[in-house]
Amino acid sequence: NAGVTQTPKFQVLKTGQSMTLQCAQDMNHNSMYWYRQDPGMGLRLIYYSASEGTTDKGEVPNGYNVSRLNKREFSLRLESAAPSQTSVYFCASSESPVRGTDTQYFGPGTRLTVL
Amino acid sequence: AQSVTQLGSHVSVSEGALVLLRCNYSSSVPPYLFWYVQYPNQGLQLLLKYTTGATLVKGINGFEAEFKKSETSFHLTKPSAHMSDAAEYFCAVGDTGFQKLVFGTGTRLLVSP
Repeated sequence: NAGVTQTPKFQVLKTGQSMTLQCAQDMNHNSMYWYRQDPGMGLRLIYYSASEGTTDKGEVPNGYNVSRLNKREFSLRLESAAPSQTSVYFCASSESPVRGTDTQYFGPGTRLTVL
Repeated sequence: AQSVTQLGSHVSVSEGALVLLRCNYSSSVPPYLFWYVQYPNQGLQLLLKYTTGATLVKGINGFEAEFKKSETSFHLTKPSAHMSDAAEYFCAVGDTGFQKLVFGTGTRLLVSP
């Protein structure tokens, strides 16, 4: 069991470039999430997918798009990267779309720098 | 809206000393409360969680937390710090609806020999 995997681990972009962050989970979880982590701000939810075929905005969705490709995979796309998107991005998954008690399982993160 | 406040962005303790990391929450409904730990260059992993029932929750690595409704607190403690406890700790609150967690800003625990 690999859990939650993310690619790439590191990425440097120039302003205006685009890229897609990939996330996959092998735990048969229904829900998946994308967070960004910035110093002194904790984790902030960008987008989430309660179940396959659905996606919703979180706290900081501007400048991002997501795709729930299938039950396993949830990608995050930056169409035109900006320096303000320099951050560490975490993908997470949880079993149930409706149970608030579920543990979220996190991937190792992608460290993104936008110049 | 739910929110979490973690007092102290950094906490320093000596090895063997008591660890106390503070978390206060705001929620209009009975909350679900979580503590996650992040070791350097890694993702977050669950330490413990409170859902219902016993208010003293035991987690991994000797950590525990007590839910105090009257104080809206969920402080994390460990009787004796170990060097391997050095990490960043996040408190989070969820609710009875869809599980969107709200995280605190984190507390970095430093452990000195």
